[in-house]
Amino acid sequence: QVQLQESGPGRVKPSRTLSLTCTVSGGSFSSGAYYWSWIRQHPGKGLEWIGYVYYSGITYYNPSLESRLSISVDTSQNQFSLNLSSVTAADTAVYYCARVEKVRGIIYWGQGTLVTVSS
Amino acid sequence: DIQMTQSPSSVSASVGDRVTITCRASQGISSWLAWYQQKPGKAPKVLIYAASSLQSGVPSRFSGSGSGTDFTLTISSLQPEDFATYYCQQAKSFPFTFGPGTKVDIK
Repeated sequence: QVQLQESGPGRVKPSRTLSLTCTVSGGSFSSGAYYWSWIRQHPGKGLEWIGYVYYSGITYYNPSLESRLSISVDTSQNQFSLNLSSVTAADTAVYYCARVEKVRGIIYWGQGTLVTVSS
Repeated sequence: DIQMTQSPSSVSASVGDRVTITCRASQGISSWLAWYQQKPGKAPKVLIYAASSLQSGVPSRFSGSGSGTDFTLTISSLQPEDFATYYCQQAKSFPFTFGPGTKVDIK
């Protein structure tokens, strides 16, 4: 059974960097079939794709966040990480990590972690 | 980016009702579309992928159709556990954008 778990601070001060890590258990982390992704949901709102990292380290970033965003992968630990710099209150959201397949969609999600940007 | 729209934004329905939700893409996406169900405080759950393929374990009362720019999710006989918010998502090109959601609540 594949499981994903987000970890990181639940509160970040404005202008600082938001850092989260997703730990994956079960399945094949280094399969070429998966895009290891971050998705967020602002309170009471819809879903926003942040970006993905491939097991090889190739990344894709949402253009709306690209200038502040970095996603990396550590295949030895079955982990991938998100760093979002210069955060504002508009970055307050539930952040999900997910295993994405182009054909089958997003079957596996983390439970989500609420990150609040506040001083 | 490919923009996704959904209608209606909300629908009130009764148990046993047939519910249809529409999703439209701003450009053709062939059959690269998935549907998700989300309940409060939970991650979304995939129901349909490739526009019309039922994800394993999902009840057969859920069905999807469409291709190109126009898609439909149908719940043939609404059950109490189906009251939730539904999202479509295109998988044609990154970023894999989502629709704004359709909330199905109790009439």
